[in-house]
Amino acid sequence: ETGVTQSPTHLIKTRGQQVTLRCSSQSGHNTVSWYQQALGQGPQFIFQYYREEENGRGNFPPRFSGLQFPNYSSELNVNALELDDSALYLCASSSRRGQISSGNTIYFGEGSWLTVV
Amino acid sequence: GQQLNQSPQSMFIQEGEDVSMNCTSSSIFNTWLWYKQDPGEGPVLLIALYKAGELTSNGRLTAQFGITRKDSFLNISASIPSDVGIYFCAGPYYGGSQGNLIFGKGTKLSVKP
Repeated sequence: ETGVTQSPTHLIKTRGQQVTLRCSSQSGHNTVSWYQQALGQGPQFIFQYYREEENGRGNFPPRFSGLQFPNYSSELNVNALELDDSALYLCASSSRRGQISSGNTIYFGEGSWLTVV
Repeated sequence: GQQLNQSPQSMFIQEGEDVSMNCTSSSIFNTWLWYKQDPGEGPVLLIALYKAGELTSNGRLTAQFGITRKDSFLNISASIPSDVGIYFCAGPYYGGSQGNLIFGKGTKLSVKP
């Protein structure tokens, strides 16, 4: 148990629809990152949120957007869903922004499986 | 850009055997992380390495941070069926200032009882 919880665990959407995925970070963690993991691949960084602002973004189009709330929980929104968006979406939290160290480790939730048909 | 190459892609071993896998990069990393992912779950951190040459153990697992800073190794001794899963190496994006990770494609381990 990492203390990072995600919902929903599984969902099916139709191409062109919009989806919202939710994440509660581990207690005391103020930084949340989102990753996309396609089948057979390693996770790929989408973006990170710190103090309710986007703080770094990977190579994903603008239809991938997010929010972070004052309690540090976060949402990932994907608009105009495409078939290739089918993947496991992982949320990760850490205690602070900045260099990874023994005092700033990244922990992952169990993910939300999205299938686009 | 930064990339992590893991080998082997998959391994089929007998219970009790030792396992060795590695991760290489053309870029220097200042941190190496090893995660294990079970089917349908998120990655779980096994070992974190923060210094070149560092050798760290976690039970039957041992990982090393290569002195060139461009590679890392994970060894599992006396494998058991619950070791089955996908093992990922990961490291921070260039500079690590954002605290975000890039991952290898994973090594899939199968253990035959």
